[in-house]
Amino acid sequence: ETGVTQTPRHLVMGMTNKKSLKCEQHLGHNAMYWYKQSAKKPLELMFVYNFKEQTENNSVPSRFSPECPNSSHLFLHLHTLQPEDSALYLCASSQDLRGGILGTGELFFGEGSRLTVL
Amino acid sequence: AQKVTQAQTEISVVEKEDVTLDCVYETRDTTYYLFWYKQPPSGELVFLIRRNSFDEQNEISGRYSWNFQKSTSSFNFTITASQVVDSAVYFCALSEPNDSWGKLQFGAGTQVVVTP
Repeated sequence: ETGVTQTPRHLVMGMTNKKSLKCEQHLGHNAMYWYKQSAKKPLELMFVYNFKEQTENNSVPSRFSPECPNSSHLFLHLHTLQPEDSALYLCASSQDLRGGILGTGELFFGEGSRLTVL
Repeated sequence: AQKVTQAQTEISVVEKEDVTLDCVYETRDTTYYLFWYKQPPSGELVFLIRRNSFDEQNEISGRYSWNFQKSTSSFNFTITASQVVDSAVYFCALSEPNDSWGKLQFGAGTQVVVTP
C-alpha cells in the first residue's frame, strides 16, 4: 500500500468512447504525475501538477486531458483514443521539491490502470 | 536522447545466485539524484534507493547493494542471494535540478526472473 490509489485497475474502451482514469493520494503531497508505460519502452512522463497547477505537458496528444481539482486528486480524461494508446497508466505523487534540497525526490506510485483500446 | 541506459533487458537466475543490474546515466549537471525502483507484477513502482551526486559511498541494505561510480557514470545494483520474490522489473532513474525534482527520467528497465 503506497498511499496512491488508482481506479479503474483495468479498462477496455473503443476508439470513440470517453472514459476517465482517477488517482487519489493520501500522503499530503503537493505534486502529482501521470506516466505512461508501454511495452518495451521506458516510462514516459505525460503531465505534472504542482499545487494543482499544470507545470509539465510532455507533448501529449490532446485526446488525453488531465484534471487536478485539488492536490489529492488527479484525473486523466480519455477521448477518441487510438490502439497505440493501450498501455499501463501510472499515477504518482511527491512533495514539491523545486530547488530540491530538503526532500528525497521520491515518487510514490499507484498500481496503475491498464488501458486497452480496441 | 536517452539519459538513463539499462542495457540488460532480462536477467534470469536461480535462487541464491547474485544478480547485478547495470545503469549508466548521462547528465551535464553536477548536482543530480539517481534512483532505483522495483516494479513487481502488481504494477506499482516501489522506491528502493536515492543517491545524490555528491555521495559516492556504496550502500548496502540487507541483500541489496548499490555501487555508484561518477567516473563511469554508473549506478549499479546488486541483489545478493536472490529469492523468488525478487522477480520484478527494476528501473534506474535520474533527476536533474533544472527540472522539477519529481521529473524522473527512467531507463527502460531490467526484468529479473528468479527461479527456484
